[in-house]
Amino acid sequence: DAGITQSPRHKVTETGTPVTLRCHQTENHRYMYWYRQDPGHGLRLIHYSYGVKDTDKGEVSDGYSVSRSKTEDFLLTLESATSSQTSVYFCAISGGLRGNEQFFGPGTRLTVL
Amino acid sequence: GENVEQHPSTLSVQEGDSAVIKCTYSDSASNYFPWYKQELGKRPQLIIDIRSNVGEKKDQRIAVTLNKTAKHFSLHITETQPEDSAVYFCAASTGNQFYFGTGTSLTVIP
Repeated sequence: DAGITQSPRHKVTETGTPVTLRCHQTENHRYMYWYRQDPGHGLRLIHYSYGVKDTDKGEVSDGYSVSRSKTEDFLLTLESATSSQTSVYFCAISGGLRGNEQFFGPGTRLTVL
Repeated sequence: GENVEQHPSTLSVQEGDSAVIKCTYSDSASNYFPWYKQELGKRPQLIIDIRSNVGEKKDQRIAVTLNKTAKHFSLHITETQPEDSAVYFCAASTGNQFYFGTGTSLTVIP
């Protein structure tokens, strides 16, 4: 599974609370991504990182921020969670020894009540 | 930006038959086309990929074809088995960003 983990794996929170999801990789991949997966929408990119402190927005970035202070960690923060952010969040990595190939973490199921 | 369309959204086949899933893309700069299989409650897993300098690639019962001129690529699964039942996603990439289709739910009927 390309040495990629996510925490927490499940979280239930209330509207208006801040939430941080963590992605950790052990294989020194350059690129890290955060996606959300919702029925009928497939996987949609929230933000991605192309190096330490280098990040860029994806197609559904509103309401989310990210940080990457170390190569191995990529954090996704919901500053004030809303019910529309209830989803499954996947972290992914690429740019390692296998080049373009992208590998996914196990996912985090987030429920915002 | 890139737009990837995937068809059909659902597909049922008898065990042993073939299944074909098709995707189109819009950005001629896309040069890498992976396919993922996602079982219920699991992460997407890369099953096969193709690069723009290749027209076809096979790996046992699965194959992918790419037509750059028409901007479409397809996944072919032969001799389907019940364990092939899953959701399959195509994607197109220019290198750093990946754009996904909306998925095909494949059911293989024993």
